[in-house]
Amino acid sequence: GENVEQHPSTLSVQEGDSAVIKCTYSDSASNYFPWYKQELGKGPQLIIDIRSNVGEKKDQRIAVTLNKTAKHFSLHITETQPEDSAVYFCAAMGTSYDKVIFGPGTSLSVIP
Amino acid sequence: GAVVSQHPSWVICKSGTSVKIECRSLDFQATTMFWYRQFPKQSLMLMATSNEGSKATYEQGVEKDKFLINHASLTLSTLTVTSAHPEDSSFYICSARDYGGRDYEQYFGPGTRLTVT
Repeated sequence: GENVEQHPSTLSVQEGDSAVIKCTYSDSASNYFPWYKQELGKGPQLIIDIRSNVGEKKDQRIAVTLNKTAKHFSLHITETQPEDSAVYFCAAMGTSYDKVIFGPGTSLSVIP
Repeated sequence: GAVVSQHPSWVICKSGTSVKIECRSLDFQATTMFWYRQFPKQSLMLMATSNEGSKATYEQGVEKDKFLINHASLTLSTLTVTSAHPEDSSFYICSARDYGGRDYEQYFGPGTRLTVT
């Protein structure tokens, strides 16, 4: 089955700096890669996603890149703000659209 | 936007009792719903997939007789933790797929914190 790895597990940046989180997946058939933000005590919220036929997607301060050949994808947050502090999960879904497999998560702290 | 609710948001029960958690899609129909469990500082682990009108499919290692899932309508799925024990204490999160939307996107509920004493 699919296995998703994520690095780093914790990340601390100064406000205004950029943050990058990297993930790898094992199943070459996976074709949908969402990113979720989870605040303490809440459910995960989708912040951006990318499908396998696209190499890069951007939404304001957030961007995601995908390298299908290498089976890795990354989240880039620019101009970080304290409210960006949360746990971020990458995930992968296969062609049957049945399961979203989560990475282990990255705890991001943005220091004012 | 698509909204998923869960009830209750938190529950405390005594060891040996059963507790039911509801997951509802408020503004869309969900043919498929998913149940996850999350322990502190860990990732979400998929427990089971439920399809409206049929039996749930459980992930390996998840006891189907302990975690009863019912998906009786297109907007409601329930998870019943039977004979709960302290080790069942966790954060339970459901998600739902919008039948009429992008078929690959899942919408997550706010989670239910279960504490078994």
